[in-house]
Amino acid sequence: GESVGLHLPTLSVQEGDNSIINCAYSNSASDYFIWYKQESGKGPQFIIDIRSNMDKRQGQRVTVLLNKTVKHLSLQIAATQPGDSAVYFCAEKDGNNDMRFGAGTRLTVKP
Amino acid sequence: GAGVSQSPSNKVTEKGKDVELRCDPISGHTALYWYRQSLGQGLEFLIYFQGNSAPDKSGLPSDRFSAERTGGSVSTLTIQRTQQEDSAVYLCASRGLASETQYFGPGTRLLVL
Repeated sequence: GESVGLHLPTLSVQEGDNSIINCAYSNSASDYFIWYKQESGKGPQFIIDIRSNMDKRQGQRVTVLLNKTVKHLSLQIAATQPGDSAVYFCAEKDGNNDMRFGAGTRLTVKP
Repeated sequence: GAGVSQSPSNKVTEKGKDVELRCDPISGHTALYWYRQSLGQGLEFLIYFQGNSAPDKSGLPSDRFSAERTGGSVSTLTIQRTQQEDSAVYLCASRGLASETQYFGPGTRLLVL
């Protein structure tokens, strides 16, 4: 069936490097996507979203890229900091259906 | 406060006891969701409230689980006769009527001994 998932369950990067977290989705009707960050012991926190009429959206140190052809979503974090260590979830939505969440990728930043 | 709040933040109970978890959504948000998150796992949808419509209970894992939303605001998730497999983080999220973004509370960490 339709699903949202992640290529990599864990990612370890050096402080100051850029991080790329990937997400694959299978529902071609999905038109809205969100990345959430969940720190240990906390609830998921909205980071950035993108609609299907866009390929790229930038925030503060974060960029989301959407490739609808291969149904792939990525989150890029520039100059990764220790405070970026968390689990990152992608989520997708189509039309009137509600959000579906991926399993998450754990990002660890090494000092 | 401006965000979603949940209480208690932590709950330890004995197997067979009932527990109630509370969620206060963002003021004015008409949609409210409950999710369960087991250790190291993703989000499992439980139930969804939208305004005065009948809730979507399709995610509730058994009839021991129930939820109410009184007055279109605060919601309570009740788990009866708790089992050890109910141990998890229970997350609540709310969403505005004109928005597609869900905003999450900090969660309640439930441990059933």
